[in-house]
Amino acid sequence: GQQLNQSPQSMFIQEGEDVSMNCTSSSIFNTWLWYKQDPGEGPVLLIALYKAGELTSNGRLTAQFGITRKDSFLNISASIPSDVGIYFCAGYSGGSNYKLTFGKGTLLTVNP
Amino acid sequence: GAVVSQHPSWVICKSGTSVKIECRSLDFQATTMFWYRQFPKQSLMLMATSNEGSKATYEQGVEKDKFLINHASLTLSTLTVTSAHPEDSSFYICSARTDRGPGSPLHFGNGTRLTVT
Repeated sequence: GQQLNQSPQSMFIQEGEDVSMNCTSSSIFNTWLWYKQDPGEGPVLLIALYKAGELTSNGRLTAQFGITRKDSFLNISASIPSDVGIYFCAGYSGGSNYKLTFGKGTLLTVNP
Repeated sequence: GAVVSQHPSWVICKSGTSVKIECRSLDFQATTMFWYRQFPKQSLMLMATSNEGSKATYEQGVEKDKFLINHASLTLSTLTVTSAHPEDSSFYICSARTDRGPGSPLHFGNGTRLTVT
């Protein structure tokens, strides 16, 4: 099946620093989604991307749909302690707008 | 908008008993809901797709007789773990799409932590 390679697996940063994580795929995706999951809770949608090259912001978060449609990145600026959690990329590939494929997640730790 | 409610948030049951988990879309109708399972420090694994008014579609390796899914209305899907065993202990999460067209994002419930003793 489809696979998404998400990196890095984990990050330890200081409060105030910027963060970048990305997802790549060997196949084309039509939609890229970024979710955040807090411990013991379900994932929450952060940003949805629908067009190649699209750059979308949500507060301090910015995500881009890669031009090749095979990658996406998420940036967090001026991190704060509540940014701690697991960030997942997810996407719908060309063959299936029906099943969502998830990356393995990036665990973010922010030191105050 | 697009709120998905899941109940219970946690449950402890004895081995051999059955447990039912409910998933409701509160402010939208969902013809399709999805059930995921998540092990500690791992990503979400799709178990099955719940279709309103018809049989669920199970992913390869998921036992349909063990994980019974019922989607009786446009706002409610249930997952019943039958004859639960300790290896069924996990975090189960449901999700639904708002059906705004291809590629619509999934919105997730808060998950149910199942512990089988």
